[in-house]
Amino acid sequence: AQSVTQLDSQVPVFEEAPVELRCNYSSSVSVYLFWYVQYPNQGLQLLLKYLSGSTLVKGINGFEAEFNKSQTSFHLRKPSVHISDTAEYFCAVRNAGNNRKLIWGLGTSLAVNP
Amino acid sequence: NAGVTQTPKFQVLKTGQSMTLQCAQDMNHEYMSWYRQDPGMGLRLIHYSVGAGITDQGEVPNGYNVSRSTTEDFPLRLLSAAPSQTSVYFCASTPDGGAYTEAFFGQGTRLTVV
Repeated sequence: AQSVTQLDSQVPVFEEAPVELRCNYSSSVSVYLFWYVQYPNQGLQLLLKYLSGSTLVKGINGFEAEFNKSQTSFHLRKPSVHISDTAEYFCAVRNAGNNRKLIWGLGTSLAVNP
Repeated sequence: NAGVTQTPKFQVLKTGQSMTLQCAQDMNHEYMSWYRQDPGMGLRLIHYSVGAGITDQGEVPNGYNVSRSTTEDFPLRLLSAAPSQTSVYFCASTPDGGAYTEAFFGQGTRLTVV
């Protein structure tokens, strides 16, 4: 069965510092990988996704993620965070193809401090 | 471009009351789903639908009913509300193939059962 593990439930960081939010998954088939962001009291919005091709994926707001098939990881990175990046970040996976059911990680709360 | 619309945004119910959470999408997506979000538990799938007239249970379906009479609408019914159903509920829709593979989320309904 598929599963997603977000290795850190909370990540505190100072403004302008780099950050990495870690995500590992398990699956026996090809997958699509996603990172979503949820700002306080809002819905989820797509940050970036990996479908195929280049393993380095760039998303909105300066975020990027790297797909590592051998490590079954999809870590999210930003070289310099802003206060406005404070949010909950969710990693999700689904089977490549027509099965659209998503498997979710439990989320990582990123707190950017001045 | 409305996307996924959920109503109401906030609701307080008394134990034992029933209500329907509304979800509508205008993107002609076949796949729709309902999640609940609780602190520390991420997103849990309640019910989903792969098209009009077809619904199925997710991981936490007890106490909830759904129906899908049209492609656009996917209401979630609480038959007899319980305090354990206090949560934030999200509706999402996903296209069938094409360039977009991600789920699109509504803004959520914050439900309190007293």
